[in-house]
Amino acid sequence: DGGITQSPKYLFRKEGQNVTLSCEQNLNHDAMYWYRQDPGQGLRLIYYSQIVNDFQKGDIAEGYSVSREKKESFPLTVTSAQKNPTAFYLCASSTSDRTPYEQYFGPGTRLTVT
Amino acid sequence: LAKTTQPISMDSYEGQEVNITCSHNNIATNDYITWYQQFPSQGPRFIIQGYKTKVTNEVASLFIPADRKSSTLSLPRVSLSDTAVYYCLVSYNTDKLIFGTGTRLQVFP
Repeated sequence: DGGITQSPKYLFRKEGQNVTLSCEQNLNHDAMYWYRQDPGQGLRLIYYSQIVNDFQKGDIAEGYSVSREKKESFPLTVTSAQKNPTAFYLCASSTSDRTPYEQYFGPGTRLTVT
Repeated sequence: LAKTTQPISMDSYEGQEVNITCSHNNIATNDYITWYQQFPSQGPRFIIQGYKTKVTNEVASLFIPADRKSSTLSLPRVSLSDTAVYYCLVSYNTDKLIFGTGTRLQVFP
């Protein structure tokens, strides 16, 4: 089946630790995105990548880092510099052709930092 | 400053038509409006997309007036399973993606 996978579904970390969230897609999409969602709020863009080895900051990139070494993978690292890391993190991907903004979302990772 | 706004919540009954509006200023001619549905603790799911006039698919319609300062998602004959949060996504300047704050739709029997 084609789709996007995120792992793990739930993640718990102690404050001060870096943590990496996995995102993999087998849709052959060029673009990939990371969003953060807080309770009762919409999605805010953290980082996006339109091509391998290139990525751009979104609206709330501070305290996060990404890499895009392979087309199908776009891991997100939540660093200790992120002030409020507890949130629901969503990864998405899309094609770059005539419907560029039909994003396909993964199931999400809920990160809790205590 | 680009901004996308939606009503916080809406209530409906099974079998009724539901219209959810998204307001968006400074939208460019070629920018798309996309609507997503999200259930708790899941990723959003694509519903419909367009950039002008009217688009219809098997689950919804999207109406975009000539001034393109707003758009309306129309769900015909909703059922209990349509209870979810609905987000509009507007692509400003083709490289800036801004989600609305979401509309929580509650469908009652």
